[in-house]
Amino acid sequence: NAGVTQTPKFRVLKTGQSMTLLCAQDMNHEYMYWYRQDPGMGLRLIHYSVGEGTTAKGEVPDGYNVSRLKKQNFLLGLESAAPSQTSVYFCASSFRGTLFKNEQFFGPGTRLTVL
Amino acid sequence: QKEVEQDPGPLSVPEGAIVSLNCTYSNSAFQYFMWYRQYSRKGPELLMYTYSSGNKEDGRFTAQVDKSSKYISLFIRDSQPSDSATYLCAMSLNRDDKIIFGKGTRLHILP
Repeated sequence: NAGVTQTPKFRVLKTGQSMTLLCAQDMNHEYMYWYRQDPGMGLRLIHYSVGEGTTAKGEVPDGYNVSRLKKQNFLLGLESAAPSQTSVYFCASSFRGTLFKNEQFFGPGTRLTVL
Repeated sequence: QKEVEQDPGPLSVPEGAIVSLNCTYSNSAFQYFMWYRQYSRKGPELLMYTYSSGNKEDGRFTAQVDKSSKYISLFIRDSQPSDSATYLCAMSLNRDDKIIFGKGTRLHILP
């Protein structure tokens, strides 16, 4: 099992450009999450999904959009990148339900620089 | 007041020392408490998971929760250079809920 994978690993964008980050998991998890991690700010939740076809806003959703068309994939889009979106982006996934430990499995991260 | 407070460090200790990492929180409804470990340029991974108050031990690691004080701790005994990482505390209201993360404490174990 590959676990949680993220594509790409690194990206440099110019202000105003758009891009999509792809997250894939092969653990049949219902829940998926997108976080950004910045120095001194910790992990902040951008958007999350509790199942295929559903998405919800997290703590810092502005400037981002997401889609969960397939259970195993969760896409994060930046329509018009800004320097403030320079960050490390982590995708995570977890099982749903009280039968399971509330453990999130993280991908390796995408380092995004917006010039 | 932020929901979860954690000293960012860095914390440097000599190899073999006992390390104590701490977090405080404001929401008394939190029931599930976790510690994630994050190595440099990697994603976080779950290290310890506890429910409600009390202690949990796993090898050299002990997680402690004091709900009356809204304070959680992670102790590392016989610390090793391989323990050098960022440790994030995390908590949730229930098993089926979002996790709130602390900002993380950077730990350096000096050989």
